[in-house]
Amino acid sequence: AQSVSQHNHHVILSEAASLELGCNYSYGGTVNLFWYVQYPGQHLQLLLKYFSGDPLVKGIKGFEAEFIKSKFSFNLRKPSVQWSDTAEYFCAVKANQAGTALIFGKGTTLSVSS
Amino acid sequence: NAGVTQTPKFQVLKTGQSMTLQCAQDMNHEYMSWYRQDPGMGLRLIHYSVGAGITDQGEVPNGYNVSRSTTEDFPLRLLSAAPSQTSVYFCASRYRGYNSPLHFGNGTRLTVT
Repeated sequence: AQSVSQHNHHVILSEAASLELGCNYSYGGTVNLFWYVQYPGQHLQLLLKYFSGDPLVKGIKGFEAEFIKSKFSFNLRKPSVQWSDTAEYFCAVKANQAGTALIFGKGTTLSVSS
Repeated sequence: NAGVTQTPKFQVLKTGQSMTLQCAQDMNHEYMSWYRQDPGMGLRLIHYSVGAGITDQGEVPNGYNVSRSTTEDFPLRLLSAAPSQTSVYFCASRYRGYNSPLHFGNGTRLTVT
C-alpha cells in the first residue's frame, strides 16, 4: 500500500521568502500525485496535480511542484510567498490503478507573516 | 452545480448516541469517500465507494458504517459515538478515472462529549 510523508509539520516564513515543502511517497508502481491546500476555516482545494509527462507541474497561485521519480518525491515550491498563502498544505498520492484510494500526508502548516 | 454537499456543518453528540452524516454530490461521480481530519494526523480515509452498491474500508473504518444506494448519496453512520470520534469529517467525490482529482465538501465538525 502507498504512504505519504511530509517532512515539515509547521513552516514559518516572512512575506517574499521562498517556500519548499517536502513530500515523499512509498509505492513501487505508477502514481498520481497531488497537493491540496486548506485555508483557515475552509475545505480542501486542489493546488496542482501530476499524472504523467513533464515532471515540473504548475498550479494555481504561483505554486509549482517537481516530481523526482528516483527520489519518490513531489516537493511543492513557490518563489515568493504572500500572507494569503497562510494555510495547511497536504500532499496526496494515489496508485494509478482502479479501485485505489487517495492517501494523504499529515499536512504542513504554513504561517506567513507580513 | 452545488458540488459536494455535507450536512450538518456542526454536531455535538453524547457518548453512545448515534447519528448519520449526510453527503450528496450532483456531479455524477462514481467514486465517493469519507475522511476524518485530526490535528497532526492529516486526512485519514474511513470508507470509500467506487459506485452504487459497492463500499470498502479505508484506513480507519472502526465505529463507522456506510452505504451507497444511489450514485449521489454516501451517508456515514456512527452507531455509538465515542469521544475518539471527535473530528472534522470531509466527504469527497471524483470520477472513477485514474487522473480525476477529488472534490471536497465543506466538512462536518463533530464533537462527542
